[in-house]
Amino acid sequence: QPVLTQPPSASGTPGQRVTISCSGSSSNIGRETVIWYQQLPGMAPKLLIYNNNQRPTGVPDRFSGSKSGTSASLAISGLQSEDEADYYCSTWGDSLNGWVFGGGTKLTVL
Amino acid sequence: QITLKESGPTLVKPTQTLTLTCTFSGFSLSTSGVGVGWIRQPPEKALQWLALFYWDDDKRYRPSLESRLTITKDTSKNQVVLTMTNMDPVDTATYYCVLGRRRESCSGGRCYYFEHWGQGTLVTVSS
Repeated sequence: QPVLTQPPSASGTPGQRVTISCSGSSSNIGRETVIWYQQLPGMAPKLLIYNNNQRPTGVPDRFSGSKSGTSASLAISGLQSEDEADYYCSTWGDSLNGWVFGGGTKLTVL
Repeated sequence: QITLKESGPTLVKPTQTLTLTCTFSGFSLSTSGVGVGWIRQPPEKALQWLALFYWDDDKRYRPSLESRLTITKDTSKNQVVLTMTNMDPVDTATYYCVLGRRRESCSGGRCYYFEHWGQGTLVTVSS
């Protein structure tokens, strides 16, 4: 069972703003920064957000991350069809003594 | 340009040992704050971190699999090798090689995020 909890699915129409939540605990998100990965269909995951809200070079500013307490969120504004993918949150987990992931959220662009 | 590529068998029998090789380019594993590791993804399931080899030769393993995992490096070939013993059908997954990067203003093995990923290699465990 994944340590971090994400909704299994999310959806939106083109141009809309959607958010994906990631819930953890005091032993992971509560004391560490959050990372988000995007996995396009049939592809390897790609780094989307690190250090809660930092975007690697090349990631559009339509993608933003935030963290509060033991939860985090990924927001996608101006939704586009190419954003249809699985999104995973991750952080360091003290209980595991390693990196933990959420179960992933499948984003559908209607 | 940073690249990572996994290689190894696509099919292994139960109880056999899996050996996967990650060949990378565009960076040096000797550079401070860098690591190369492995993450796997069973079909239609979530990602699962397995191991990380740090720039200073430190290593870290997923505790529940530590007795079965070994991660090594071959500096001359720019390769990191993961071996997993006693393979079982539940180990069927796509195995990804990843470049870990330590975030700024943070020290310690926990401070890494996975900046680049290989394309992945599907390993099936079946008799």
